[in-house]
Amino acid sequence: TQLLEQSPQFLSIQEGENLTVYCNSSSVFSSLQWYRQEPGEGPVLLVTVVTGGEVKKLKRLTFQFGDARKDSSLHITAAQPGDTGLYLCAGAPSGTYKYIFGTGTRLKVLA
Amino acid sequence: EPEVTQTPSHQVTQMGQEVILRCVPISNHLYFYWYRQILGQKVEFLVSFYNNEISEKSEIFDDQFSVERPDGSNFTLKIRSTKLEDSAMYFCASSEALLGTEALFGQGTRLTVV
Repeated sequence: TQLLEQSPQFLSIQEGENLTVYCNSSSVFSSLQWYRQEPGEGPVLLVTVVTGGEVKKLKRLTFQFGDARKDSSLHITAAQPGDTGLYLCAGAPSGTYKYIFGTGTRLKVLA
Repeated sequence: EPEVTQTPSHQVTQMGQEVILRCVPISNHLYFYWYRQILGQKVEFLVSFYNNEISEKSEIFDDQFSVERPDGSNFTLKIRSTKLEDSAMYFCASSEALLGTEALFGQGTRLTVV
């Protein structure tokens, strides 16, 4: 069974703090995606990482793909209340025809 | 910017009735997917579709479910006889390829079975 485990599951921090969310698996992925989902809406793509060791930056968000392509992290610098939401990692395990989603990290940034 | 569109946004149906959820994937995408998300739970894979046939399906996708691409643009999910536990958000997604690319999602259809 291919699983993507995210940690932490919940995170509540003060505005201005930094945080890191982790996405781990025992499976190898050709790529991993990070999405953000608001209540009642579909997942919105933030980034795709493809190459092992790759680092991508999106303003205050930094995404890294593990060297072995089994894990990824999302780091947010100086979090703002607008960053509040559900963050999901997803990927298509090798040999399958589907994307699977991680367990999700629900972030709340307090003003 | 191209997007995946889903209709209706909300559907209420009586238990035992058939429902069809509709999706228009991004035009140059080749892979299509349906997912569901029960309130407060994880996004779950239902089925993937490529070259006019199912590529993979989950154990959720039983005989009550079917998918179709009737006219080259729409991609539909049919539930033949809805059950209360089918109540969920249903998301359609599409991708250009499978390896090394991402799936883009629609805004979802909220299905409520009463």
